[in-house]
Amino acid sequence: GDSVTQMEGPVTLSEEAFLTINCTYTATGYPSLFWYVQYPGEGLQLLLKATKADDKGSNKGFEATYRKETTSFHLEKGSVQVSDSAVYFCALSPPGAGSYQLTFGKGTKLSVIP
Amino acid sequence: DAGVTQSPTHLIKTRGQHVTLRCSPISGHKSVSWYQQVLGQGPQFIFQYYEKEERGRGNFPDRFSARQFPNYSSELNVNALLLGDSALYLCASSLGTGGGYTFGSGTRLTVV
Repeated sequence: GDSVTQMEGPVTLSEEAFLTINCTYTATGYPSLFWYVQYPGEGLQLLLKATKADDKGSNKGFEATYRKETTSFHLEKGSVQVSDSAVYFCALSPPGAGSYQLTFGKGTKLSVIP
Repeated sequence: DAGVTQSPTHLIKTRGQHVTLRCSPISGHKSVSWYQQVLGQGPQFIFQYYEKEERGRGNFPDRFSARQFPNYSSELNVNALLLGDSALYLCASSLGTGGGYTFGSGTRLTVV
């Protein structure tokens, strides 16, 4: 079945450092790929998405590129802020109309220190 | 506009009891999905409903059931609660059945 593997955390960075969180997936065909963010005590917020190979999703300085050849969707940000401290989840949705199920990775906790 | 609202926010139940969790989707959204998030893990898919019909079910026992009402709100019911059912239960809504989900803040269920 479908699966998502994320780099294990926690990840601790200093403010303005470069961030990479690795995500690889196993799925049939061309799934849609997502990054969600969860702040303490809150639900999940969609950060960015990509629906086909070589697409780049971007939002709030975060970027991720859909790489079919390496089945990856790594999250990057050039300069993190303390407010970026949260848990980040990579997820996929199967291709095709009516695809409904999101499969999530285990999450990566990011802590940014001043 | 109101987002996805879930109630209650926190709940404590005893093993063997029954629980009902509620979700109101964003206005105009016809699809509601339920996810279980155990502490330290990613969310696991439980159900999706669209236009009041079940469109998908994850790998959960029959103790878990759900329904969607004519106003598109939804209930998740869990019978014969086990300690392992302790988790954050998330509801997500979308216009259709594929992607673009908006999540609520969840209901934190503790089974003692």
